[in-house]
Amino acid sequence: DIQMTQSPSSLSASVGDRVTITCRASQGIRNDLGWYQQKPGRAPKRLIYAASSLQSGVPSRFSGSGSGTEFTLTISSLQPEDFATYYCLQHNNYPWTFGQGTKVEIK
Amino acid sequence: QVQLQESGPGLVKPSQTLSLTCIVSGGSTSSDDYFWSWIRQHPGKGLEWIGYIYYSGSTYYNPSLKSRVTISVDTSKTQFSLKVSSVTAADTAVYYCARENGGPEVWGQGTTVTVSS
Repeated sequence: DIQMTQSPSSLSASVGDRVTITCRASQGIRNDLGWYQQKPGRAPKRLIYAASSLQSGVPSRFSGSGSGTEFTLTISSLQPEDFATYYCLQHNNYPWTFGQGTKVEIK
Repeated sequence: QVQLQESGPGLVKPSQTLSLTCIVSGGSTSSDDYFWSWIRQHPGKGLEWIGYIYYSGSTYYNPSLKSRVTISVDTSKTQFSLKVSSVTAADTAVYYCARENGGPEVWGQGTTVTVSS
């Protein structure tokens, strides 16, 4: 299985901060990566697909970059509704695998 | 706009079979554009992809569960199903169904399944 390693596992930030989350794949996955946001008691919601494409309806403050083994999710200006847990997912190689998650908390 | 809704028992006894159904509204499971998948999340933990099915019936299962999992599709009823046999407490989780389009795109709200006697 491809291992997806996210960092950090948690972070504290303030409204308006720029936040960056990294996901590293144990082998190359081209751009077959998505980013998901999950709030407590809710299903995950896809924010980014194909590593850098913004899902329809998702605010433009979210962006993704990377290819191969290194990927980044950036929130340009953190908003109150962005406090959540974020996961990456690779769908290049079976079985699909998720990162362990990054919890974004209020500072 | 497609919506997915999981249904099934919230409590299953150990060694029995867990059975869930995902009802798809606003879309069709007979479309050749998408795969239909199941994902689970253990309490307070991360996400585990279980497997998926294509409208033709072809499937892929996560090897970690492969011997116990069956995913089927009923295109006439626009629904698909998950069965996990010989369950233990380790199968206690929130189970999500999803439509895949370059990875899981649209998710159901999830249903909690507890394995306990």
